[in-house]
Amino acid sequence: GPKVLQIPSHQIIDMGQMVTLNCDPVSNHLYFYWYKQILGQQMEFLVNFYNGKVMEKSKLFKDQFSVERPDGSYFTLKIQPTALEDSAVYFCASSSGQGAEVFFGKGTRLTVV
Amino acid sequence: GDSVTQTEGLVTLTEGLPVMLNCTYQSTYSPFLFWYVQHLNEAPKLLLKSFTDNKRPEHQGFHATLHKSSSSFHLQKSSAQLSDSALYYCALRDYGSSGNKLIFGIGTLLSVKP
Repeated sequence: GPKVLQIPSHQIIDMGQMVTLNCDPVSNHLYFYWYKQILGQQMEFLVNFYNGKVMEKSKLFKDQFSVERPDGSYFTLKIQPTALEDSAVYFCASSSGQGAEVFFGKGTRLTVV
Repeated sequence: GDSVTQTEGLVTLTEGLPVMLNCTYQSTYSPFLFWYVQHLNEAPKLLLKSFTDNKRPEHQGFHATLHKSSSSFHLQKSSAQLSDSALYYCALRDYGSSGNKLIFGIGTLLSVKP
């Protein structure tokens, strides 16, 4: 079936540094999402993105976070600067439209030390 | 705000016994409910989605019925298989937002033993 690829699967970064998480969404999908899952807690919505713009973001989407998808390449989540509380698994997802099935990647485990 | 509650963190069963994973929700609207399944080292995948016409969705032997009166969407299967061992998430789609925002429960880990 359709796959969302996330690169890398694990990332360790020093607190205060910048990190970029990459997501290769399903081809021809138009809606993109990031979710955050802290160990032992549920996946929580961060942001959704359509037509080059952020449509909605949650209170977890701090000012240090940004998303983009330049020229139809990877959909990225950038955190600058990182903080210890950013340690989590970040899931990327995509869908072909509103109301369509949402496909998830395997997640990137980010550890901020 | 909208929320999803899964009361069991871990369910351990013997192969062949019935499965029931609980899911209740709170929503301002009449949402769509979903079950996602995540096997070890895999991405979460859609297992079931509620229908608007009260039909019961079924997939891979699993089924769930949306009960609006009790705000529930429990996942059931008549006979557990070893391959059903996975993490199961209940989720709802928040129609109060733009786009396709999903609100997840904390997940239930199903462990099926021989």
